[in-house]
Amino acid sequence: KQEVTQIPAALSVPEGENLVLNCSFTDSAIYNLQWFRQDPGKGLTSLLLIQSSQREQTSGRLNASLDKSSGRSTLYIAASQPGDSATYLCAVDNYGQNFVFGPGTRLSVLP
Amino acid sequence: SAVISQKPSRDICQRGTSLTIQCQVDSQVTMMFWYRQQPGQSLTLIATANQGSEATYESGFVIDKFPISRPNLTFSTLTVSNMSPEDSSIYLCSVGGGGNEQFFGPGTRLTVL
Repeated sequence: KQEVTQIPAALSVPEGENLVLNCSFTDSAIYNLQWFRQDPGKGLTSLLLIQSSQREQTSGRLNASLDKSSGRSTLYIAASQPGDSATYLCAVDNYGQNFVFGPGTRLSVLP
Repeated sequence: SAVISQKPSRDICQRGTSLTIQCQVDSQVTMMFWYRQQPGQSLTLIATANQGSEATYESGFVIDKFPISRPNLTFSTLTVSNMSPEDSSIYLCSVGGGGNEQFFGPGTRLTVL
């Protein structure tokens, strides 16, 4: 059964810092991995989707990498801003098991 | 991408009652998913709803408690039945999966007193 973990659970940084969020999964038989952002009490916003055959995806200040063989993905956020404060979730789309979500990383970017 | 709306956005309900949550998508989709997010927790998949067939429930979720309808390719409902305070959660619908990007609705915040 797929298990997804995220480190750190929470992170507080000053504005302008570059930061890395980590996601690990136990079963490499995945279609893809997706990173989401969730603001308090809200739904999920898709940030980046990495197919299993890809190594990374970029969107603006965000860059996500995928190492399927080691079961790891990272989300890199450049030049963080207070508006980046949210919970970041990774989810893997498995063969025959649908999406499994990690517990999330709660990010606070201080002005 | 897909635009998904949910109704209601939030509700406060009494113990023992039922609430039906609606999910509307702006395009035809094969699979729709229902998730629960308990306070401070991540998302847990309740069931997968395909048009024209019975919903497939994940371990720990049963049809009597969470009946689902999928009358067409753009709409689905989830009912939370005989509610207790433990059902207080955010309920989210989504589309995609099976190798495709997944998109979520804004969620329904349910509080059971």
